Order: sequence, then C-alpha cells, then structure tokens
Amino acid sequence: DAGVIQSPRHEVTEMGQEVTLRCKPISGHDYLFWYRQTMMRGLELLIYFNNNVPIDDSGMPEDRFSAKMPNASFSTLKIQPSEPRDSAVYFCASRRETGELFFGEGSRLTVL
Amino acid sequence: QKEVEQDPGPLSVPEGAIVSLNCTYSNSAFQYFMWYRQYSRKGPELLMYTYSSGNKEDGRFTAQVDKSSKYISLFIRDSQPSDSATYLCAMSAYSSASKIIFGSGTRLSIRP
Repeated sequence: DAGVIQSPRHEVTEMGQEVTLRCKPISGHDYLFWYRQTMMRGLELLIYFNNNVPIDDSGMPEDRFSAKMPNASFSTLKIQPSEPRDSAVYFCASRRETGELFFGEGSRLTVL
Repeated sequence: QKEVEQDPGPLSVPEGAIVSLNCTYSNSAFQYFMWYRQYSRKGPELLMYTYSSGNKEDGRFTAQVDKSSKYISLFIRDSQPSDSATYLCAMSAYSSASKIIFGSGTRLSIRP
C-alpha cells in the first residue's frame, strides 16, 4: 500500500496567489482529513470528509480556504488569495470507519 | 485555554535514559488517548493507543492515563538516538470520533 500521497511536497508562492494542495487517500478509507501544523498552534483540524461528503469545516480559518473531494481517491485544499500567515505544513490523513489515522508526508507552504 | 496542553520542549537526554513525556487536558469527555511520533519532515505516525485510565506497555514504551487528574504520560525506557522525534499526544471522546485533538508536540533529542 502506497499510503496517503500528497502533492506538492513544497510550495513557495507570493502573497495573493492561488494555492492548490492535493491528496490521494489510502484505498478503502472512508474518512479524509486536512490538518495544518505550525509551531505556534500545533496540529489543527481544518476539515474532514466522510464518503466524499464534507462533514465538519469549522476549522477552516476563513473563506479564503476551500476543500473538495470529487471522488474517493482525490481531494484538494485551495487557498485563494494566499497570505503570509498561511505558511505552514498541511497534512492530509485518512482512515477507515474505525481504526488508525494515517498521515501523508505533508505539503510545506511558504507564502512570501 | 487549549483543550490539550503539552510542553513543547525541546528535551535532550543521553542515550539509555528513561524519558517521560506528558500532557494535560481539560475535557472530561475524552476517553481515547493516543501518542503519535513525528520524525522531521514526515507525517505523524501512531505509536500507542489506550482507552480510559491505566497503563499500556509495548516494548520500551509505556503509556499511562490518569483520568482523575486529566493527565497522560508516555515513558520511553532505554532511549535510543532513533527515538529522537517530536511526540504528540492526542485524544478523543469516542473510538470512532472524527475529531481528534492533538497536543502541540514535544521535541525529543537522544544524545549518543
């Protein structure tokens, strides 16, 4: 099993640009999560999906952030327009109905 | 006040020492407690999983939960340089809970 796959691994962009982060969950996993990790705030849950449907987006910081899951094997997290304070490592994670949460290796975003 | 508090460290100990990592929490509904290990530039990986109060041992690792004090610990015996990583505590109210709350992580370094 390839695990959770995220792309890009690193992204450097300028303030105001659109950023799209991608995630392929583990096959057969019903839940997909997007987290953001910073030194100041630790690991924060942004949004999660169950069977491709967004269930809880209360962690999304503001309207500049949006996430989609068009099918069971793909999800995107989009930031438009990006700001320097969005700089962080963004993790995607997936799991079955019950059981261990598996994380991808993260997308490190730097907004200049 | 954060729901989960964890000393960020860094913590540096010599090889072979016993390491104690701790978290406190405020939500008495938490019943499931986890420890994740995160190596540099990688995603977190589940290390230990316990339910309610008590101890659980797995090799050199022991997880301890004291619900009356809202305090959890992870002990590492005979620490090795390969144990150098960031350790995050995590907890949830239900086994299938989608909202897992993470501590901010303690950075641990084992000196050879």
